[in-house]
Amino acid sequence: GEDVEQSLFLSVREGDSSVINCTYTDSSSTYLYWYKQEPGAGLQLLTYIFSNMDMKQDQRLTVLLNKKDKHLSLRIADTQTGDSAIYFCAENLYSSASKIIFGSGTRLSIRP
Amino acid sequence: DTGVSQDPRHKITKRGQNVTFRCDPISEHNRLYWYRQTLGQGPEFLTYFQNEAQLEKSRLLSDRFSAERPKGSFSTLEIQRTEQGDSAMYLCASSFDAGDSPLHFGNGTRLTVT
Repeated sequence: GEDVEQSLFLSVREGDSSVINCTYTDSSSTYLYWYKQEPGAGLQLLTYIFSNMDMKQDQRLTVLLNKKDKHLSLRIADTQTGDSAIYFCAENLYSSASKIIFGSGTRLSIRP
Repeated sequence: DTGVSQDPRHKITKRGQNVTFRCDPISEHNRLYWYRQTLGQGPEFLTYFQNEAQLEKSRLLSDRFSAERPKGSFSTLEIQRTEQGDSAMYLCASSFDAGDSPLHFGNGTRLTVT
């Protein structure tokens, strides 16, 4: 089936690392994405990873992919107040190459 | 920066009325998508165009919904005989026609049906 699951909330202290986790169901997915959504705005692409990669790093962001467990994570180093948002994991379905399925999002809040 | 633009940003309508939303994608992109997002949920796929051809429609897209992209550039999404359950954020996205081309989203049109 088509399902992407994420935990709903995460609270971290400013300056700590945030780790947002996601599981997906389509083992044939070719690309996996992380998007960020701030209040009242559309979705902003943060990063994406091709399914033959294990890790991708982009400045403060690190994406880890475990294909065996169908698990994707996003680590944000040195979390700042501006990182407060909802983070969506998404997969690109192999069966429908143009269809991207989103999780329900993880709301990240930052404590001072 | 000519990103994806959507119009209007907000629409309030009475139940039973028809509404139409417009999306202008990034000009070089030949794929265009419509998604719907309700509170606390991720975006749900509605439909997708490659140039002017509508190639896929979700089961979520009832007969009251119709989308067009007549010249392969901007797109419209019309909802006829709106119902309160249609209240949501309608998001448009565009991308290149390539497997690794991510979606670029507009800021959405928030529809409230009273």
